[in-house]
Amino acid sequence: QVQLVESGGGVVQPGRSLRLSCAASGFTFSSYVMHWVRQAPGKGLEWVTVISYDGSNEYYADSVKGRFTISRDNSKNTLYLQLNSLRVEDTAVYYCARGDGAFDVWGQGTMVTVSS
Amino acid sequence: EIVLTQSPGTLSLSPGERATLSCRASQTVSSSFLAWYQQKRGQAPRLLIYGASSRATGIPDRFSGSGSGTDFTLTISRLEPEDFAVYYCQQYGNSPRTFGQGTKVEVK
Repeated sequence: QVQLVESGGGVVQPGRSLRLSCAASGFTFSSYVMHWVRQAPGKGLEWVTVISYDGSNEYYADSVKGRFTISRDNSKNTLYLQLNSLRVEDTAVYYCARGDGAFDVWGQGTMVTVSS
Repeated sequence: EIVLTQSPGTLSLSPGERATLSCRASQTVSSSFLAWYQQKRGQAPRLLIYGASSRATGIPDRFSGSGSGTDFTLTISRLEPEDFAVYYCQQYGNSPRTFGQGTKVEVK
């Protein structure tokens, strides 16, 4: 079945780095635009970044621009998010989502906690 | 950036009642590229409505979406126990793709 599974979350100190992964299955990964969306504890959804089918184009929310990098490996059906210079306010559940338009498939999320 | 404002913040209703949720955009949403999502506690969001009024696969027909331009509505005709959750609208016609702050539908 169509599925997205995130991994790589954890507890990290401010200023450090983390890399999240999102493994896709059940669909032709290379045919879809992919996104990361995050949700801080008790808060709403915040779109973070998007990458085109072939990885040639990326866009970022202002809140993460210059610190986060999205990438994908279509040969491995995997999406990545490199999180650098992490801040306390980056603490959130990070979801990957499929969506050329609306986001029709979501992963279960991976928790990132930034704390000293 | 298009700002989406959802109202009310919380809707207290009983099972069987009708729920009407509003989403207002700060500028016109291109081609009605407006979606609605449902999120239950501890779960990922689930797509309900796309293109302002089209139901996603497997979504019951008690959920309906309407609107265009800057004003959109999600209606749940008769609330089932499983419908008590948080609902978000999202526009995907402009970058960045933005979400509303959510409406919580709770049991009265």
